[in-house]
Amino acid sequence: GAVVSQHPSWVICKSGTSVKIECRSLDFQATTMFWYRQFPKQSLMLMATSNEGSKATYEQGVEKDKFLINHASLTLSTLTVTSAHPEDSSFYICSAPDRGRSYEQYFGPGTRLTVT
Amino acid sequence: GDSVTQMEGPVTLSEEAFLTINCTYTATGYPSLFWYVQYPGEGLQLLLKATKADDKGSNKGFEATYRKETTSFHLEKGSVQVSDSAVYFCALDPHAGNNRKLIWGLGTSLAVNP
Repeated sequence: GAVVSQHPSWVICKSGTSVKIECRSLDFQATTMFWYRQFPKQSLMLMATSNEGSKATYEQGVEKDKFLINHASLTLSTLTVTSAHPEDSSFYICSAPDRGRSYEQYFGPGTRLTVT
Repeated sequence: GDSVTQMEGPVTLSEEAFLTINCTYTATGYPSLFWYVQYPGEGLQLLLKATKADDKGSNKGFEATYRKETTSFHLEKGSVQVSDSAVYFCALDPHAGNNRKLIWGLGTSLAVNP
C-alpha cells in the first residue's frame, strides 16, 4: 500500500518554543492531508484539513494561529505548534487520501510531542 | 450531522474467544465504512472496509458487514489471538466532496490474554 511518513517520530521541547512536524506522502500525490491529535484515552480528534496551495481548514475549537499548517507541495504538509505549552503534549497523526487508490486514507506513524 | 458510535472499551478476552465490537452510524447519504486498527506503538492501519449496503469486509480473520437497515458495521472475529491486542476504530466516509474527511468512533481497546 501507499506510504505516509512523519518526522520527527518524537520530540521534546521547552515551553514557549515552536515545533514543526512534517508529513510526507512517499509514493503518491496528495492535494489534501489531514492532521489529527490523539489523546491518552485513544480518541482521535481531527484538527484540520491541509489543502495544497491554499489555506488549511480548521475544525471548530482549533486555534489556527497556534497550529500553523502549510501544504506547500503535493507530497508535503507541515504542522507547526507555535509557543508550545505542556497542554499541547500529545500524539499528532497525519493522513492522506490516495486518489489513485479510490481515496483510501493512509496514515503516518505519528509524532509524540512532549512539552516541558 | 454524520456520526459514528462505537462500543466503549476496554475489552479483555482470553485467547481463542469470540470477539464482537459494535459500531453504529448515522449518515444522510451512502457512506463507506471502515475499521482501522492501531497496534501498540504503531500508526493506524486499515483493517477492512465496505463501500455499500450488504458488503462484507474481511481481513486477518476479522469480518464486518455493512447493514443499512440497522445502520451498523460490527466487527467480529471467531478466535482472537494475543497479537490482536490493539485499539480498533470504526470510521465513516460520507463521500461529501473529494477531500474524504472521515468521521471517527472513539476507539475500542482490546486486550487478549494468553
